[in-house]
Amino acid sequence: DSGVTQTPKHLITATGQRVTLRCSPRSGDLSVYWYQQSLDQGLQFLIQYYNGEERAKGNILERFSAQQFPDLHSELNLSSLELGDSALYFCASSPSPGHFEQYFGPGTRLTVT
Amino acid sequence: DAKTTQPTSMDCAEGRAANLPCNHSTISGNEYVYWYRQIHSQGPQYIIHGLKNNETNEMASLIITEDRKSSTLILPHATLRDTAVYYCIVRVAGGTSYGKLTFGQGTILTVHP
Repeated sequence: DSGVTQTPKHLITATGQRVTLRCSPRSGDLSVYWYQQSLDQGLQFLIQYYNGEERAKGNILERFSAQQFPDLHSELNLSSLELGDSALYFCASSPSPGHFEQYFGPGTRLTVT
Repeated sequence: DAKTTQPTSMDCAEGRAANLPCNHSTISGNEYVYWYRQIHSQGPQYIIHGLKNNETNEMASLIITEDRKSSTLILPHATLRDTAVYYCIVRVAGGTSYGKLTFGQGTILTVHP
């Protein structure tokens, strides 16, 4: 158990819909990362937050957005969902952006039908 | 971040050492080598990292060549639970680094009884 929690575990929704994925980092970790893992693209970095502020962006679509709240939990919002958005979404946390280890949550499996 | 090249798959007998190679010929002087693994769609797990000296922890050993262009992860006594995808990642660590991890395709290690 990494100490990172993600909800929900599974999510099934229809194309065009909007969903919110939630992540609670390890106690004391200020940095949160979101990754997407799909069959064709592998594990890809989406976005990073540090102490409430966006720190880095990766291959995140404009239909996706995220934020980190004052209590340090983070949410990833996915809108206008397409079939290709079906994937595993992982959240990770670390004490600071450059910390050597990132602690990954169990992931949320999103299925878009 | 420097690109890495790993074999697609490897096999190992239970109880034997598993040696997983990684090429990172374009690595820069301030980039570290990291290893993570992912067991069957679980969140990736940190294994070890190093800059230029060989490193060992309770999970594995990391051997980095003198020119730093390649490295080998060694699992000294592989068990069935070590069956996973192993990712070799190169990135800057600490200071003002962004912290994101860039995953390649990894090596699928299968440990046989």
